Amino acid sequence: EAGVVQSPRYKIIEKKQPVAFWCNPISGHNTLYWYLQNLGQGPELLIRYENEEAVDDSQLPKDRFSAERLKGVDSTLKIQPAELGDSAVYLCASSSPGLAGGLKDTQYFGPGTRLTVL
Amino acid sequence: GEDVEQSLFLSVREGDSSVINCTYTDSSSTYLYWYKQEPGAGLQLLTYIFSNMDMKQDQRLTVLLNKKDKHLSLRIADTQTGDSAIYFCAEFYYGGSQGNLIFGKGTKLSVKP
Repeated sequence: EAGVVQSPRYKIIEKKQPVAFWCNPISGHNTLYWYLQNLGQGPELLIRYENEEAVDDSQLPKDRFSAERLKGVDSTLKIQPAELGDSAVYLCASSSPGLAGGLKDTQYFGPGTRLTVL
Repeated sequence: GEDVEQSLFLSVREGDSSVINCTYTDSSSTYLYWYKQEPGAGLQLLTYIFSNMDMKQDQRLTVLLNKKDKHLSLRIADTQTGDSAIYFCAEFYYGGSQGNLIFGKGTKLSVKP
């Protein structure tokens, strides 16, 4: 079974430029999460989707960050414009509703996208 | 708010046992997890424990949960150089109508040959 897929793995941009990250969750997982991981820290939730609905976006800086999951499968996280402080790893995770096997709510992570803003 | 604390560093010799400790704040946590992160990689789920369990063993890994003290530990037996990584403790709790995963800052395990 394929895991969570993210692309690109690395991205280097200049400040004020836009950037987008893509995530494809594990098949059958209807919950998708985007996390921000700063250096030396644990992941922090940015947004959580149940199917195509964003059910928790309270930690998403909405002035510059946006996300979508139009068909309830893959998702895109965008930053526009990027700032120096946005340099971090952006992790995507997905979890199962527990109906088709798999421990309910257990999150499986992708490899992440490492963003460097110059 | 909810908080998960871990010591930041642990160094052991190859073949020894490693014990990584974690404390959490929410007594209503349903699951507690251990994730492993190798350099440049995402988080790999290692193991989990239900909050109504005291212990769980999975090959070289033993998880102990002291719910009274809100203390979780991960013991790695016969630690190998390939175990060198950052280990994150995480609690899953329900805040309002939603569940959330709260991570510690991670413990960097260094295994010396």
